[in-house]
Amino acid sequence: ILNVEQSPQSLHVQEGDSTNFTCSFPSSNFYALHWYRWETAKSPEALFVMTLNGDEKKKGRISATLNTKEGYSYLYIKGSQPEDSATYLCASFKAAGNKLTFGGGTRVLVKP
Amino acid sequence: ETGVTQSPTHLIKTRGQQVTLRCSSQSGHNTVSWYQQALGQGPQFIFQYYREEENGRGNFPPRFSGLQFPNYSSELNVNALELDDSALYLCASSLRGGASKETQYFGPGTRLLVL
Repeated sequence: ILNVEQSPQSLHVQEGDSTNFTCSFPSSNFYALHWYRWETAKSPEALFVMTLNGDEKKKGRISATLNTKEGYSYLYIKGSQPEDSATYLCASFKAAGNKLTFGGGTRVLVKP
Repeated sequence: ETGVTQSPTHLIKTRGQQVTLRCSSQSGHNTVSWYQQALGQGPQFIFQYYREEENGRGNFPPRFSGLQFPNYSSELNVNALELDDSALYLCASSLRGGASKETQYFGPGTRLLVL
């Protein structure tokens, strides 16, 4: 993996169902993995910053796991609600250039 | 505590013109990063400013330049605009530059259309 990739690009979820999606990133020279939620017409909002292999973080019904050795992170939404509809972005931090490299995002639409 | 603000919200320019976008960082933050988000893509890092100095740069040509002021607000300047510069420009502030664990706080963006 040379770039940060997210899959799927979009998904539709029925209200009350749980879902998860993937962020893949280069495992070499890994420093940190960031997750953001971006609702339409709002600013991206930070969810998690993860650094250690095996890390698990939770915020309400949203949680994330991190595997730095194989270069992937999963984001889980439990019991999806319409307000969870947003684009979820992940980004890997690269020390060279002090930059966050973002994936293309997973657009989640929760249907009532 | 005020959040990150950006101005203007929308802008229309013609090819070859120059544009300046502005960003006010969150109170207490000394680092501002700028991103370009083209349609259908994730944000692409342009550069970062830390205490008024450029502190990292992405793969953008020199016609993309910036400034950071003593109050840590920042400007993004783009010269000789091209059609492909049409995008949403986001700025984000953080407490410390170059720190991998620092959360970045984003503004709402400036939508630039180049005709």
